[in-house]
Amino acid sequence: DAGVIQSPRHEVTEMGQEVTLRCKPISGHNSLFWYRQTMMRGLELLIYFNNNVPIDDSGMPEDRFSAKMPNASFSTLKIQPSEPRDSAVYFCASSLRDSYQPQHFGDGTRLSIL
Amino acid sequence: AQTVTQSQPEMSVQEAETVTLSCTYDTSENNYYLFWYKQPPSRQMILVIRQEAYKQQNATENRFSVNFQKAAKSFSLKISDSQLGDTAMYFCAFMTNTGNQFYFGTGTSLTVIP
Repeated sequence: DAGVIQSPRHEVTEMGQEVTLRCKPISGHNSLFWYRQTMMRGLELLIYFNNNVPIDDSGMPEDRFSAKMPNASFSTLKIQPSEPRDSAVYFCASSLRDSYQPQHFGDGTRLSIL
Repeated sequence: AQTVTQSQPEMSVQEAETVTLSCTYDTSENNYYLFWYKQPPSRQMILVIRQEAYKQQNATENRFSVNFQKAAKSFSLKISDSQLGDTAMYFCAFMTNTGNQFYFGTGTSLTVIP
């Protein structure tokens, strides 16, 4: 079975540019989560979706960040404009809601903003 | 509010020895789920073990076992016969029965010394 697929694996871009991170959850999973990991702040939940609907976006740092889930098999996290402090590893995870199953994580995207 | 605390930022253990990583949590829920994830240098988040709060028996997965003390709200991970491949960051996580959002601890960095 394919796991959670994230792209790109690495992204290096200049400050001010738009960045789009992509995620394909495990087929059949109906919950999707975006996390950010840094040395200073650890693993932070940014936003999560149930059945393609955003449920809690209180972790999104500011309006420069946006996330969408147009269908059950695809989600994007967009940063516009990007800033050096956005440099981090961004993880996507999916799970089957109400089954009390663990979240399955993608391999993450390492984002570096110069 | 749900919180997860890992009080040991770093630990080390000699190869083939046993090590225990601590985790405490706070919740008013009676039924919930606990997980340990491993993040090796490759940065993948890998599920190690899970425990349902309503089960009194401690979970075991090969060399990994937990000591679940519900009254004390403690969920420690024991790694027996430590191997070099166990070197990783370990995260304790908590999920309530009423939702599928995870709450993660700040992690413990474990180094296995040859």
